[in-house]
Amino acid sequence: DAKTTQPNSMESNEEEPVHLPCNHSTISGTDYIHWYRQLPSQGPEYVIHGLTSNVNNRMASLAIAEDRKSSTLILHRATLRDAAVYYCILRDRGTYNTDKLIFGTGTRLQVFP
Amino acid sequence: DAGVIQSPRHEVTEMGQEVTLRCKPISGHDYLFWYRQTMMRGLELLIYFNNNVPIDDSGMPEDRFSAKMPNASFSTLKIQPSEPRDSAVYFCASSTGRNNEQFFGPGTRLTVL
Repeated sequence: DAKTTQPNSMESNEEEPVHLPCNHSTISGTDYIHWYRQLPSQGPEYVIHGLTSNVNNRMASLAIAEDRKSSTLILHRATLRDAAVYYCILRDRGTYNTDKLIFGTGTRLQVFP
Repeated sequence: DAGVIQSPRHEVTEMGQEVTLRCKPISGHDYLFWYRQTMMRGLELLIYFNNNVPIDDSGMPEDRFSAKMPNASFSTLKIQPSEPRDSAVYFCASSTGRNNEQFFGPGTRLTVL
């Protein structure tokens, strides 16, 4: 299975943009890039996903490198509520394994007022 | 919608006792997942169901663990007998369609003394 590499932790100040990187150098052509986050004492929640093109939604933006070997989750203006562990996950739509979410260790984001 | 409902939210039991965790997925969702989260191993998928049928139980640690889904609105994860190393937060998640966003419940924090 293709794997992802993320920094263990990052820090940001409130109202500043945050760029969370993810490396996935062994990504296959059928792998989608998904991001979930887990707020303290809660279950994970979906943030965004993409395949090749950059994606935007109400929560965040996803920038995908042209070679797809890396991606960046962008929080445009961090709030205290964005403090969470962010997981970058590859889902292979070409196999049954797409049903599964394989969580790595994620990036713990701290946001300071 | 109430989201995924799990009960109990907290469970403290003694080693050797039977533990039953319960999950009600979001109405209309045809996939149900059970995950376990510990500090040492992170978030792990234990088993998942599609249309009430177990599809992959390769993550179930051992025979002491069993899961059932008698109908589309209810699933249980049972541990018998429980051991201290089973202490963890157990999450249930559901989704509609195999590739779609998974919605997680609030989790059950299990402590086995």
